Amino acid sequence: DTGVSQNPRHKITKRGQNVTFRCDPISEHNRLYWYRQTLGQGPEFLTYFQNEAQLEKSRLLSDRFSAERPKGSFSTLEIQRTEQGDSAMYLCASSLGQALMNTEAFFGQGTRLTVV
Amino acid sequence: AQTVTQSQPEMSVQEAETVTLSCTYDTSESNYYLFWYKQPPSRQMILVIRQEAYKQQNATENRFSVNFQKAAKSFSLKISDSQLGDTAMYFCASPGGYSTLTFGKGTMLLVSP
Repeated sequence: DTGVSQNPRHKITKRGQNVTFRCDPISEHNRLYWYRQTLGQGPEFLTYFQNEAQLEKSRLLSDRFSAERPKGSFSTLEIQRTEQGDSAMYLCASSLGQALMNTEAFFGQGTRLTVV
Repeated sequence: AQTVTQSQPEMSVQEAETVTLSCTYDTSESNYYLFWYKQPPSRQMILVIRQEAYKQQNATENRFSVNFQKAAKSFSLKISDSQLGDTAMYFCASPGGYSTLTFGKGTMLLVSP
């Protein structure tokens, strides 16, 4: 499978626990994006990487959210001390060369987080 | 703020009919692309069609076409000869700053036999 892969597909966690999601982009794609999608809303931008550099993180929802892309390949998104309001679908997308606003984005199937 | 508005939360159409989904946007970019993405139930989002803002000619991809009105900042999607497989959530997207995209809330399209 050469598409964007996200794991796990579903995660149920108790409030206050930490969770980490993984995204494997299409192998030659140098740009990687994280979005959050809540029920009835479109995807909301969180952060993005060009290779291993995190070029924008001001849209991360709080300091409990962090993301890494250590070798410019896969990326992880961590949420510390989860809250019920963090329940959402977390989407990863990748693109080749150009910014997402100028080229096709390839999305993963997402990780659905439920905080109980 | 850069915003995208999709005013139709849900739409229904019968197979073989034509349907138009509306979208308006607001961007400060001078040269940009606009996109329609499709998200089928429990599947990943995929690109349907994109339009370069500096091109006056409306983009077309098989049964999908757009009506792009730059001055009005309107970007509607027309689906001709609707098929059952077109059932999905459709998102309009425009430049959102930070080299990324802002998405609308989506329109759920249901195609029935």
